[in-house]
Amino acid sequence: QKEVEQNSGPLSVPEGAIASLNCTYSDRGSQSFFWYRQYSGKSPELIMSIYSNGDKEDGRFTAQLNKASQYVSLLIRDSQPSDSATYLCAVNSGAGSYQLTFGKGTKLSVIP
Amino acid sequence: NAGVMQNPRHLVRRRGQEARLRCSPMKGHSHVYWYRQLPEEGLKFMVYLQKENIIDESGMPKERFSAEFPKEGPSILRIQQVVRGDSAAYFCASSPTGTGGEYTFGSGTRLTVV
Repeated sequence: QKEVEQNSGPLSVPEGAIASLNCTYSDRGSQSFFWYRQYSGKSPELIMSIYSNGDKEDGRFTAQLNKASQYVSLLIRDSQPSDSATYLCAVNSGAGSYQLTFGKGTKLSVIP
Repeated sequence: NAGVMQNPRHLVRRRGQEARLRCSPMKGHSHVYWYRQLPEEGLKFMVYLQKENIIDESGMPKERFSAEFPKEGPSILRIQQVVRGDSAAYFCASSPTGTGGEYTFGSGTRLTVV
């Protein structure tokens, strides 16, 4: 059973701070990793994808991947109240797999 | 670009009725996925389709659930004889390629079974 684990939160950070969201996965063969943002009552929106070990930066977002530790993280710099949402970690096991396995999400609250 | 269109946004059905959820993928996307999100649960894969073909339905319950993506028209997720446990948000996503995971999700259909 492939599993993706996230701390459910809520994670509260003050405006302007760095928010750090973490995710671990059980399938060592996983190859593709994604972060989706989901506002309450809305659909998930892709914000980052990462495929190789290391860091990937896009604006205020940095995704970090460590396959040896089976660990993915998302850093949000200069957090804004508009970043308040649930962040979903998703993993594709690769090898032609079509499915994403999602974590339950971490709820982030950015306090003005 | 209208994005992924799902309808209806909200659907209320009585136990035993049928629910039909529709999804039109983004223009240029021929790969459609259905996911279900139960309250306080993560998104769970249900089925992956291309035009006229079901590629992977390993996440679909064996009974009462079916999906199609005809040559013309939207993809349909059909739930027969709904039960209270079917109450959930059903999201459709599309992508230009089959593998990966960079999806565009539709706004979802919130199914409530009373």
